[in-house]
Amino acid sequence: DSGVTQTPKHLITATGQRVTLRCSPRSGDLSVYWYQQSLDQGLQFLIQYYNGEERAKGNILERFSAQQFPDLHSELNLSSLELGDSALYFCASTQGGGNTGELFFGEGSRLTVL
Amino acid sequence: GENVEQHPSTLSVQEGDSAVIKCTYSDSASNYFPWYKQELGKGPQLIIDIRSNVGEKKDQRIAVTLNKTAKHFSLHITETQPEDSAVYFCAASSPPGQAGTALIFGKGTTLSVSS
Repeated sequence: DSGVTQTPKHLITATGQRVTLRCSPRSGDLSVYWYQQSLDQGLQFLIQYYNGEERAKGNILERFSAQQFPDLHSELNLSSLELGDSALYFCASTQGGGNTGELFFGEGSRLTVL
Repeated sequence: GENVEQHPSTLSVQEGDSAVIKCTYSDSASNYFPWYKQELGKGPQLIIDIRSNVGEKKDQRIAVTLNKTAKHFSLHITETQPEDSAVYFCAASSPPGQAGTALIFGKGTTLSVSS
């Protein structure tokens, strides 16, 4: 158990809909990362937050947004969903804001868009 | 930004054999190179990492080598066991402060160890 909690574990929805994925980092961790894992693209970095502020941005679509709240949990919002958004979405956390430490991953939220 | 290429995408070995997975990176400023193992139904987990001031690091049956000049690094697993079967990801990251930097992963290698 990494200590990172993601909900929901599974989500099935229709094209055009909007969903919210939630992540609770390990106790004491200030950084939260979001990654998208699909079969052909591996682990794609979406966005990083550190202590409530956006720290780094990767290949995140404009239809996607994220935030980190004062209690350090984070939410990833996916809107106007398309079939291609079906993937496993991972949240990871680490104590610091740099990129040279171990990331602790949750078990992921599997999104299926029909 | 950083780009990480990983090969092979699949690797099948017999129990007891060695397995080697190779990665190349594009950003010469990258200074941290971890390897993650992902078992079925779980999130990736760090198994070993190496920093740019070190050429090789070993932890029991696994080792990682880094060639900064050529910008490539490799994972070596010796005496493979069935429980080594998983997806392995290499990654690279640049120092913070550069726009868009984070830990960037390769596309993964599915390792199958048959007994």
